[in-house]
Order: sequence, then C-alpha cells, then structure tokens
Amino acid sequence: AQTVTQSQPEMSVQEAETVTLSCTYDTSESDYYLFWYKQPPSRQMILVIRQEAYKQQNATENRFSVNFQKAAKSFSLKISDSQLGDAAMYFCAYRSANSGNTPLVFGKGTRLSVIA
Amino acid sequence: DTEVTQTPKHLVMGMTNKKSLKCEQHMGHRAMYWYKQKAKKPPELMFVYSYEKLSINESVPSRFSPECPNSSLLNLHLHALQPEDSALYLCASSQDRGQATGELFFGEGSRLTVL
Repeated sequence: AQTVTQSQPEMSVQEAETVTLSCTYDTSESDYYLFWYKQPPSRQMILVIRQEAYKQQNATENRFSVNFQKAAKSFSLKISDSQLGDAAMYFCAYRSANSGNTPLVFGKGTRLSVIA
Repeated sequence: DTEVTQTPKHLVMGMTNKKSLKCEQHMGHRAMYWYKQKAKKPPELMFVYSYEKLSINESVPSRFSPECPNSSLLNLHLHALQPEDSALYLCASSQDRGQATGELFFGEGSRLTVL
C-alpha cells in the first residue's frame, strides 16, 4: 500500500518570504501522480500543483513550485512571495495512474500560517 | 463547468433520523468519491463509484449507504448515525484514465452534526 508522510504539522512564514513544505511517499508503482492540495478554513479542497511521475521536470504554477526527487521519493512544495491568502492546511497526496478510479492517498497535512 | 456541487452545506440530525447528502457534477467524470474528514485530519476514503458501480467500500458501517443513480449524481444516505459520525463529508470526481490530468475535483463539503 502507498503511504504519504508530511513531517511538519505546522509551519509559519513572513509575508513576502519563501517557505518549503516537505512530503515523502512510499510506493512500488512506476506510474503515478503527486499533488499538493490546499484547504483553507472555507474547507474546499483546492488543487495547488500536480506532478506526473514520468516527467523529470519539476512542476511550477506561478508562485508555487515543487522539488520532485523520484529516486528519493520526495515531493516538496515551495511557496514564493507568500501572501496572507496562502494560510491554509496543505495536503500532499499520491494517486496511482493504473486506472481511472483510484483514490487519493493523503498525508496528514501541514498547517501554514502567514504572518503579516 | 468545473464544479462539484454538494448539498446541503450544513446538516444537523438526530440519531434516529434518516437524511441524505447529495453530490452533483457535470464534467462528464465517470469516477466519484466520498471522503469523510474530521477536524485537523486528512480526508479518509469511504466509497468509490466507477461508471455508476461501487468499486471500493472502505469497510464503512452500513448506516452509511451510497447510491449513484446516474453518472452525474452521487448520494450518501444516512440512517441511525452516531455522534462520532459528525464530520465534514467531501465528494469528489475524476476523469477517465485516458483523458486524465490525474486530479480529483472536490466539492465544498457537507458539514454533518449528529446529536
């Protein structure tokens, strides 16, 4: 079974600074996706960024980027120029690509606070 | 339309009540999911439907009864719940594998309180 580990229950960052959230995973599969989802207090789960395992290039979405180390099974999220609206719970998630109905496996989450 | 719509947003029910949560998507997704989320915890998978058939049941108690009447609609019927079932219930959907970007699209959730 696949597992996802987020070792930082809470993090804080000053507004406009950069923060990195850590995630490691364990799998024996070769074809999979990795995601970072954000869940603000409004509670909807919002996709921040995705990475296909077969792609060597790290995904980037505006101020959000990942450091994907496939051999090390590591998938960290970097948030640049942090904004107050980035404050939320961040979940790292794994999904097998073997079929169209495999569920997400979530890490325990990292609560990010942004200090003005 | 990239939305998953869940109703109601809030539900309070007694332990003897019967109620239902509803989830709807019009993105043509053929896989739909129910997750349960307790405060400050990650979502826990309950059920997966694929092409309107139940494909995964994570040993959920029978007081939770899922139903997928058509490809756009997913229900969760609730009966004789316990106070510990109070949680946020999240619905999600995803594309077929051949078209997939891999992500699950989530609704805003239904906050359930069992008295």
